[in-house]
Amino acid sequence: AQSVTQPDIHITVSEGASLELRCNYSYGATPYLFWYVQSPGQGLQLLLKYFSGDTLVQGIKGFEAEFKRSQSSFNLRKPSVHWSDAAEYFCAVGNNQGGKLIFGQGTELSVKP
Amino acid sequence: DAGVTQSPTHLIKTRGQQVTLRCSPKSGHDTVSWYQQALGQGPQFIFQYYEEEERQRGNFPDRFSGHQFPNYSSELNVNALLLGDSALYLCASSQTGQGVTGYTFGSGTRLTVV
Repeated sequence: AQSVTQPDIHITVSEGASLELRCNYSYGATPYLFWYVQSPGQGLQLLLKYFSGDTLVQGIKGFEAEFKRSQSSFNLRKPSVHWSDAAEYFCAVGNNQGGKLIFGQGTELSVKP
Repeated sequence: DAGVTQSPTHLIKTRGQQVTLRCSPKSGHDTVSWYQQALGQGPQFIFQYYEEEERQRGNFPDRFSGHQFPNYSSELNVNALLLGDSALYLCASSQTGQGVTGYTFGSGTRLTVV
């Protein structure tokens, strides 16, 4: 079955601390992987995406993610979190054939001053 | 360059009623996908429209239907509303050939069923 698992429902970090959000996927075909961020009451903003090539991808707002095929993981990282990073983060997987994305349940990030 | 526009932003309906949500895709995009995001959940794929036809459908009942117009805008219709239909409905547009890689999401329509 195709699925995305985000094991952490809620994470709290201190401002300036590093961040890692976990994502594991199960997908039969070659996966296209995405991280989106959603502020309360808003739509989804794309942070970064991975299709092929270098397994470490850089995104907007200082985020990066690493694709590890052997672990079926695509974890999101940021070296120093800012208060404005508080939001809901979604990992998603798809392919370029069907146009359908499968999302994880999301991880809510809180940032302590 | 306008992004994806959804209307209305919020609405409240009564159980059993019917609702229509609207989506205007980003300029240059010709494919529209709809997602339902229940509170505390990730978005779930409802269906996708291209060339005015439903191209792919997720695991949603026939109460959920859609339409795409010649200008690529789209409507999502839900009949016989249930309390469980309360959710944020997101529209995403893309260009043929880009698939999921070219998605742009709108800000959504918050539907509350009472």
